[in-house]
Amino acid sequence: GAGVSQSPSNKVTEKGKDVELRCDPISGHTALYWYRQSLGQGLEFLIYFQGNSAPDKSGLPSDRFSAERTGGSVSTLTIQRTQQEDSAVYLCASSLSSRQGGYGYTFGSGTRLTVV
Amino acid sequence: GESVGLHLPTLSVQEGDNSIINCAYSNSASDYFIWYKQESGKGPQFIIDIRSNMDKRQGQRVTVLLNKTVKHLSLQIAATQPGDSAVYFCAETGGNNRLAFGKGNQVVVIP
Repeated sequence: GAGVSQSPSNKVTEKGKDVELRCDPISGHTALYWYRQSLGQGLEFLIYFQGNSAPDKSGLPSDRFSAERTGGSVSTLTIQRTQQEDSAVYLCASSLSSRQGGYGYTFGSGTRLTVV
Repeated sequence: GESVGLHLPTLSVQEGDNSIINCAYSNSASDYFIWYKQESGKGPQFIIDIRSNMDKRQGQRVTVLLNKTVKHLSLQIAATQPGDSAVYFCAETGGNNRLAFGKGNQVVVIP
C-alpha cells in the first residue's frame, strides 16, 4: 500500500484480556518495527523484523508480549493478560532495510490501547 | 547504553520567527540521524536526515546541524508556521540496526 496501515486505530479492553494489534507495512519494505509510546514520552523500542532473519525481541517488556510477521509482510503484536500499564500508543514502522546507517522509517498512525 | 535526549521540553515561538530544537546523543558510534515530526493523533513523520560524514543539511525551510565533537544535533525551522506545531523527535542509529528516539520536544506556534 501507499503507507503503513495499522488496525484498529483505537482499542479499549478490560484488564486481563488479550489483544492483537495489526500492522500492514509498505510493500517491498523488508524491515518492520514496533514501538510503544506512552503519554508525553518518547518511543520505546519493542521488536523488529528484518527479512527472514530471527526477530530482535530485546525490547519486549515481558513475556506477555509477542509478535509475528507472516510471509514477510503483515505483522501482529499480541499482548496477553493486559495490564493498565500496557495502555499506550503502539506504533509500527517499516523501512527498506534495517542495515546499519540505513533508511528512515515510515510510521503508521498507531493503535491507541486503553486497558480499563 | 544508548541515550538520546532533548534540552527543552516545550518551545513557544511566534509565527514567522525561526525555531531551533536541540538534541544531545551519547552514542559516538551513531552514523545516521533523523528528525521526525509528530502531530496530534498521528505517527511520526520523517522531516530530514543527516549522515555522520556531514555537518549540515538543508531541506525546505528546515536545516539540520550535526556537531559530532559535542554529540549535538539541532533542527532549525525557518519562518515557523502554525502547521509546524507538533512534537519533534530526534533519532539516531548505532550498531543495533534500529533507531533510538529522544523524548520529544513540543513546539507551539503562536499566531
